[in-house]
Amino acid sequence: DAGVTQSPTHLIKTRGQQVTLRCSPKSGHDTVSWYQQALGQGPQFIFQYYEEEERQRGNFPDRFSGHQFPNYSSELNVNALLLGDSALYLCASSPWGAGIRQTQYFGPGTRLLVL
Amino acid sequence: AQTVTQSQPEMSVQEAETVTLSCTYDTSESNYYLFWYKQPPSRQMILVIRQEAYKQQNATENRFSVNFQKAAKSFSLKISDSQLGDTAMYFCAFMSSQADYQLIWGAGTKLIIKP
Repeated sequence: DAGVTQSPTHLIKTRGQQVTLRCSPKSGHDTVSWYQQALGQGPQFIFQYYEEEERQRGNFPDRFSGHQFPNYSSELNVNALLLGDSALYLCASSPWGAGIRQTQYFGPGTRLLVL
Repeated sequence: AQTVTQSQPEMSVQEAETVTLSCTYDTSESNYYLFWYKQPPSRQMILVIRQEAYKQQNATENRFSVNFQKAAKSFSLKISDSQLGDTAMYFCAFMSSQADYQLIWGAGTKLIIKP
């Protein structure tokens, strides 16, 4: 049973550029959430996708956008990169539903460095 | 707003010893969900154990158990017979039943198991 996968594993960009990160959910999961984890901190919620729509969003600017495809995979796009966007980006998947069914399972993350 | 506090930035114990990691949280809700995740140097966030607030019985998963004190808003993780592979960052996370789309995280505790 394949777990959550993410690509690429590492990425280096320069300020002002745009980046796209990709995530495939765990088999049987239809909901994808994205988190940003700065060095030495806990993750921060960016947004969640279900049925190809953004369902909820954390306190992140519009430079952060996403997409979910019919096969439930998802992309995170970040425009006009800033140095402060350097972080580990985590994708988590879960089955849609209430409560503990929404337990989130994580991928290995994409390390983004903005120079 | 809910918050999660992990007061121990770093802990170290000898292999085979028992260690307890602390977590407190703040919420006005009566039903919610609590999680412990482990993040080894490989970066992947791995679910260790989870607890539903309405269940009084403490959750147990093999060598991992929790001490859930609802009135005190405390959710500590006990690791018995610690192993070298337990070396990792440990994060406590909270999920509201009213906003069950995002996890709210503590800052983490770095646990080092010494041979």
